[in-house]
Amino acid sequence: AQKITQTQPGMFVQEKEAVTLDCTYDTSDPSYGLFWYKQPSSGEMIFLIYQGSYDQQNATEGRYSLNFQKARKSANLVISASQLGDSAMYFCAMREGQGGSEKLVFGKGTKLTVNP
Amino acid sequence: EAQVTQNPRYLITVTGKKLTVTCSQNMNHEYMSWYRQDPGLGLRQIYYSMNVEVTDKGDVPEGYKVSRKEKRNFPLILESPSPNQTSLYFCASSLSPGRHNQPQHFGDGTRLSIL
Repeated sequence: AQKITQTQPGMFVQEKEAVTLDCTYDTSDPSYGLFWYKQPSSGEMIFLIYQGSYDQQNATEGRYSLNFQKARKSANLVISASQLGDSAMYFCAMREGQGGSEKLVFGKGTKLTVNP
Repeated sequence: EAQVTQNPRYLITVTGKKLTVTCSQNMNHEYMSWYRQDPGLGLRQIYYSMNVEVTDKGDVPEGYKVSRKEKRNFPLILESPSPNQTSLYFCASSLSPGRHNQPQHFGDGTRLSIL
């Protein structure tokens, strides 16, 4: 079973509007971290935002915020005031527990296109 | 500037010719890892290292070797590359194992084509 599910292969948004990229996860570990990464067409992976399983508040980083609903096991990324430079692939990832492999498990990604 | 540096960025080579992709980080990170990215499959972990001289297999280790003789370097070795190893490869590092709030910092990627 997939541990990270991103159900939107592609999303379109108008410049300056907000957009939500969906991510659901599956884990039985009470301690985990959720990450979002951006991959522009140039290929590099850019860390955007982190949410810990014990964090009481939703994470925010500039125009990025994470809508964390623990009971529903969802960690949606919200990008406010979209810019043309936001066009990219976006990956949700999870890291479980303390120690262990430290592996990041990635979803298959959502391709965001920002239209002028 | 804090970064993870991979070399080469692009490589086209032939089946069976040994190659090494280097990875170096200047952030004194303990944890390093290699991933490959393939269309429709996302990123999958190949090998990881919790510290110097400590390495372990990830999800797709077949056909790859790694070593961690120094903290900053974590090369990926393909002893006998095959076409199914054509992929985009990423090296990543993070500060401390055991703290899952540490983001992994990625290199810019190495695009390998094995003919």
